[in-house]
Amino acid sequence: DAGVTQSPTHLIKTRGQQVTLRCSPKSGHDTVSWYQQALGQGPQFIFQYYEEEERQRGNFPDRFSGHQFPNYSSELNVNALLLGDSALYLCASSRGSNTGELFFGEGSRLTVL
Amino acid sequence: SQQGEEDPQALSIQEGENATMNCSYKTSINNLQWYRQNSGRGLVHLILIRSNEREKHSGRLRVTLDTSKKSSSLLITASRAADTASYFCATPLTQNTGFQKLVFGTGTRLLVSP
Repeated sequence: DAGVTQSPTHLIKTRGQQVTLRCSPKSGHDTVSWYQQALGQGPQFIFQYYEEEERQRGNFPDRFSGHQFPNYSSELNVNALLLGDSALYLCASSRGSNTGELFFGEGSRLTVL
Repeated sequence: SQQGEEDPQALSIQEGENATMNCSYKTSINNLQWYRQNSGRGLVHLILIRSNEREKHSGRLRVTLDTSKKSSSLLITASRAADTASYFCATPLTQNTGFQKLVFGTGTRLLVSP
């Protein structure tokens, strides 16, 4: 049973570019949440997708957008990259709308130069 | 913003010693969770304690919850070098959409030396 998978694992971009990160949830899970984790900090909630809709959003600008596909996989897009967007981006999956245990992927490490 | 804050920020102990980490949170909760993160990796769920529980055990882990003080503690007994990691508490916040988001604290970095 595959857990949560994320791609790519590492990537380097320059300021102003755009990036797309991908996530496949654990089998049987239908909810995907995205988190940003800066070095030495706790994960910060970006947004959550359920039934292909964004259900809630954290305090992130509109440059951060996402999508969920019918197979429950998800993408995180960040436009007009800033140096401060450098972070580990974590995808977590769960079942339904209430938050019990979250299953995390290994993350995508984004470096913006 | 952070819902929870862990204390201490960093903890260094020897193998065999016990490690205690504390978490304080701000709002009413229905459960509190602890996660572990090895350096630069994804988070792994350790234990969930519900608001009507005061203590819960899982292997060498013991978690307590005091809802009157809005605080929780994680005790790791007989620590091993492999326990070296960052530990986060997390609490669900219910939004007006009816959905809950899990909000993480700032973390405790634990170093266990052989």
